[in-house]
Amino acid sequence: GDSVTQMEGPVTLSEEAFLTINCTYTATGYPSLFWYVQYPGEGLQLLLKATKADDKGSNKGFEATYRKETTSFHLEKGSVQVSDSAVYFCALSAAGRGGGNKLTFGTGTQLKVEL
Amino acid sequence: DAGVIQSPRHEVTEMGQEVTLRCKPISGHNSLFWYRQTMMRGLELLIYFNNNVPIDDSGMPEDRFSAKMPNASFSTLKIQPSEPRDSAVYFCASSSWASGANVLTFGAGSRLTVL
Repeated sequence: GDSVTQMEGPVTLSEEAFLTINCTYTATGYPSLFWYVQYPGEGLQLLLKATKADDKGSNKGFEATYRKETTSFHLEKGSVQVSDSAVYFCALSAAGRGGGNKLTFGTGTQLKVEL
Repeated sequence: DAGVIQSPRHEVTEMGQEVTLRCKPISGHNSLFWYRQTMMRGLELLIYFNNNVPIDDSGMPEDRFSAKMPNASFSTLKIQPSEPRDSAVYFCASSSWASGANVLTFGAGSRLTVL
């Protein structure tokens, strides 16, 4: 079945450091890929997405490129801030029966950014 | 729009009691999802509905769990009888096929503690 594998956390960085969170996936067909972010005490929010190979999703300084050849969708940011501290989830979509789609999530990677 | 609204935000109950979690999706959204989040298992899809019809309930852990969606604006997740291992944060999410079925909007979650 479909699955998503993320690097384990927590990842601790100093402010303004470069961030990479690795994500690889296994899926049949051509899924769409996503990064969601969860701040403490809140639900998940969509951060960015890519719907086909070589697409780059970007938002709030974060980027991820859909690499079909390596089945990867690594999240990057050039300069993190304390406010980026959160849990980041990689996810893929799969076509569901009867229309619509469901998301399969990775286990999440906690990011802590310190001054 | 107020977003996806879940209630209660926190629930503490004793083993054997019935628990009902409620969700109001975003108006106009076609799909509704129930996820469970724990430290050990991460985010698990329990069940999802398209146009109020249950499509995939393979993630429902056992017969003690049931979910209904009587109309487009309301869904419930019921646990009867509850057990300590059901303690988790339960998230409801909804999506619209028209605006990109893969983009889920999550509620803030219901934190359940079963003593």
